[in-house]
Amino acid sequence: AQKVTQAQTEISVVEKEDVTLDCVYETRDTTYYLFWYKQPPSGELVFLIRRNSFDEQNEISGRYSWNFQKSTSSFNFTITASQVVDSAVYFCALSVSGTASKLTFGTGTRLQVTL
Amino acid sequence: DTGVSQNPRHKITKRGQNVTFRCDPISEHNRLYWYRQTLGQGPEFLTYFQNEAQLEKSRLLSDRFSAERPKGSFSTLEIQRTEQGDSAMYLCASSHGFRDRDNEQFFGPGTRLTVL
Repeated sequence: AQKVTQAQTEISVVEKEDVTLDCVYETRDTTYYLFWYKQPPSGELVFLIRRNSFDEQNEISGRYSWNFQKSTSSFNFTITASQVVDSAVYFCALSVSGTASKLTFGTGTRLQVTL
Repeated sequence: DTGVSQNPRHKITKRGQNVTFRCDPISEHNRLYWYRQTLGQGPEFLTYFQNEAQLEKSRLLSDRFSAERPKGSFSTLEIQRTEQGDSAMYLCASSHGFRDRDNEQFFGPGTRLTVL
């Protein structure tokens, strides 16, 4: 069975601070995919990134960066110079090869960015 | 708008009534998924379709739940004899590919169900 743990329930930062959201996953499969989604107050889940288990290269997209480490089964997400518009619930998710890509989600981390 | 759409956005019903939700996926997407999200939790997988075929159902999906995707286009999720425990956000998602590596799912805005 697959499991995703997001230990941080809620994080509050002041605008322009950097913030890292932690994600730890469990799976026995060797081929799997990791995702981050953003859920703003409007409720719609927004896809941010997918990483494949065989590609540990870190990725940067604007103010967002992701650190994938198989050795610690972690896929952490950093927002640099946070903005009020980043306030949302962020979900980490996992799917494994051969399961029709159904997602197993963590419980989410609520990020509050204030002025 | 070419995203995933869901109707209605909100539904309030009395216990014991039947409700039906609709999802229209992104037009070229072959896979369609239903998830349920309760307050403070992440979405949980319910079922999925590959074109018109329903290929997997979660144990969360009791006999009171049924889903269809006629002609591989839109999908409906029906809940019969609703219970208060059915109150949740029901999310629909679709994805393009047959291959796992084309598997990012795009979600609709959800239908929030409240059972009184």
